[in-house]
Amino acid sequence: GQQVMQIPQYQHVQEGEDFTTYCNSSTTLSNIQWYKQRPGGHPVFLIQLVKSGEVKKQKRLTFQFGEAKKNSSLHITATQTTDVGTYFCAGGGAMFSGGYNKLIFGAGTRLAVHP
Amino acid sequence: NAGVMQNPRHLVRRRGQEARLRCSPVKGHSHVYWYRQLPEEGLKFMVYLQKENIIDESGMPKERFSAEFPKEGPSILRIQQVVRGDSAAYFCASSLGQPSSYNSPLHFGNGTRLTVT
Repeated sequence: GQQVMQIPQYQHVQEGEDFTTYCNSSTTLSNIQWYKQRPGGHPVFLIQLVKSGEVKKQKRLTFQFGEAKKNSSLHITATQTTDVGTYFCAGGGAMFSGGYNKLIFGAGTRLAVHP
Repeated sequence: NAGVMQNPRHLVRRRGQEARLRCSPVKGHSHVYWYRQLPEEGLKFMVYLQKENIIDESGMPKERFSAEFPKEGPSILRIQQVVRGDSAAYFCASSLGQPSSYNSPLHFGNGTRLTVT
């Protein structure tokens, strides 16, 4: 079953509003990765977080990794139409599968930005 | 620097035919993954291969589906006797190191859109 939960499934915002998507795991993760998929496109890597409590910024995007390494968030400030797409988190953890640090993708949050 | 190359981009097959999807990873990458995506849905893991070895095929249907990553040449995802339910986008990804390794993210190809008529 799904082991990395991501919410919300959809988010509609007006251009200029903020947006946040959340990712949760029932087990401790070794790392969390974020990917963006534009409509009709393929997933593109955004960032990887490894340390407990880590915060990284990329321009208007802020990524956080929880202290317990079980949750993460992606926050976009002042959305633009270019932010449209689906944002996926992917959690890594040896407990997902025996033998290697498997990467499990969340279901994704689809962001629509209205001008 | 070529990224992950997948072909064909679009593939139409009649029910009962075979579909072969090809994936050439980023040069130097020896870890390959296949994912399936239905319209407006998430990425469903199918299989993880590392040069000539299947590491994890827990997401692959037991029948009709197979994958390989030979020593030479691209990785192949093969679907025998396709059914309408196989219609989806199939994405291949590659990485330099093992999954979740530091600085070894997944690089995705453009995908193959399979339509079964």
